[in-house]
Amino acid sequence: DQQVKQNSPSLSVQEGRISILNCDYTNSMFDYFLWYKKYPAEGPTFLISISSIKDKNEDGRFTVFLNKSAKHLSLHIVPSQPGDSAVYFCAASAISGDYKLSFGAGTTVTVRA
Amino acid sequence: SAVISQKPSRDICQRGTSLTIQCQVDSQVTMMFWYRQQPGQSLTLIATANQGSEATYESGFVIDKFPISRPNLTFSTLTVSNMSPEDSSIYLCSVSEGGFEQYFGPGTRLTVT
Repeated sequence: DQQVKQNSPSLSVQEGRISILNCDYTNSMFDYFLWYKKYPAEGPTFLISISSIKDKNEDGRFTVFLNKSAKHLSLHIVPSQPGDSAVYFCAASAISGDYKLSFGAGTTVTVRA
Repeated sequence: SAVISQKPSRDICQRGTSLTIQCQVDSQVTMMFWYRQQPGQSLTLIATANQGSEATYESGFVIDKFPISRPNLTFSTLTVSNMSPEDSSIYLCSVSEGGFEQYFGPGTRLTVT
């Protein structure tokens, strides 16, 4: 039962433009959300997170938006750079869940020069 | 954040054998986790490695197949026992320093023939 869903397996974007990655979740107990970036042959790298008490969190070129009522979050990368080409995973956790993370299937982002 | 190393980085093993994967952290951490990423799939939590006690396994994973040790706050091992080709995956350890953010090792790529 996939509780975190990334319905777009891939995204291609022009360098300098905005990348928007989407994530939906089904478990209403999730209250903390994270995005990870993964290059081939490396482990995932933590990118940005958001608590359910917020609807937006920004860190440099990366902004995460959370819509709790829709059980939806998105990651915006602007401007996109060639080094952003990677697989992006959305993850979620519940405070009562011993900090365990549930991951989405990932979205492969390709930034075109 | 903590620096995490894993050994081996990759291995090719014959079915029916066992492989032990080591995870070493450069500082004491509160929590350690083991994940599996099967080809083309997302990350799936195998278990939480508890220091000085038995690991806590997720549904679908059992101690006889994936015995885990955590003798101290900086080290853990995962053994994949009696391997079959279906065990071919990337195995990742991660650590948490007390918050929801987890930091991952580089992974161990296992191929079972």
